[in-house]
Amino acid sequence: GDSVTQKQGQVTLSEDDFLFINCTYSTTTYPTLLWYVQYLGQGPQLLLKVTTANNKGISRGFEATYDKGTTSFHLQKASVQESDSAVYFCALGSSGSWQLIFGSGTQLTVMP
Amino acid sequence: GALVYQYPRRTICKSGTSMRMECQAVGFQATSVAWYRQSPQKTFELIALSTVNSAIKYEQNFTQEKFPISHPNLSFSSMTVLNAYLEDRGLYLCGARTDSGNTLYFGEGSRLIVV
Repeated sequence: GDSVTQKQGQVTLSEDDFLFINCTYSTTTYPTLLWYVQYLGQGPQLLLKVTTANNKGISRGFEATYDKGTTSFHLQKASVQESDSAVYFCALGSSGSWQLIFGSGTQLTVMP
Repeated sequence: GALVYQYPRRTICKSGTSMRMECQAVGFQATSVAWYRQSPQKTFELIALSTVNSAIKYEQNFTQEKFPISHPNLSFSSMTVLNAYLEDRGLYLCGARTDSGNTLYFGEGSRLIVV
């Protein structure tokens, strides 16, 4: 079945560091790939989404490219801020069903 | 923009009692709603998928008898956790979706604490 893998459970950075969060997926259908961000005490918020292979989603300085060859959708940001501290979830939507399958999440902590 | 409100934000209930939570979509028509439970470890469990005027589809390990859902119109859905016990603790999230695409817009969640 469809699946999403986030290998990094926790990432700790300092302000202005480069962020890279790994996400790979598996599906037999045409995927929609999304990143959600969940701040402490809140629900998940959509950060960015891509539906076409080789396209890049960009939002609030974050970007992720849908790489069909490596079945990846890694999240990157050139320079993180303390306010970016949150849990980041990669999610997969397949054309066969509109439910989303979430990765296990990556807790990002940015030190001032 | 699309907004989803969930109420209540937090409930403490005695073991064996029930909790009802509501989900309101504002600014868009929520033709479909997905109810998830998020564990303290942050993992998501899909409980059920609900589409207006269609049967509600429950995932394995979740039943209508335990988690009855109502989705009467395009802006409102509710779910009840009946006879809640410790294993039902968690953050219950409502994700609403319009007709097109796979994007779910989530509310802040309703946290269930069972004592």
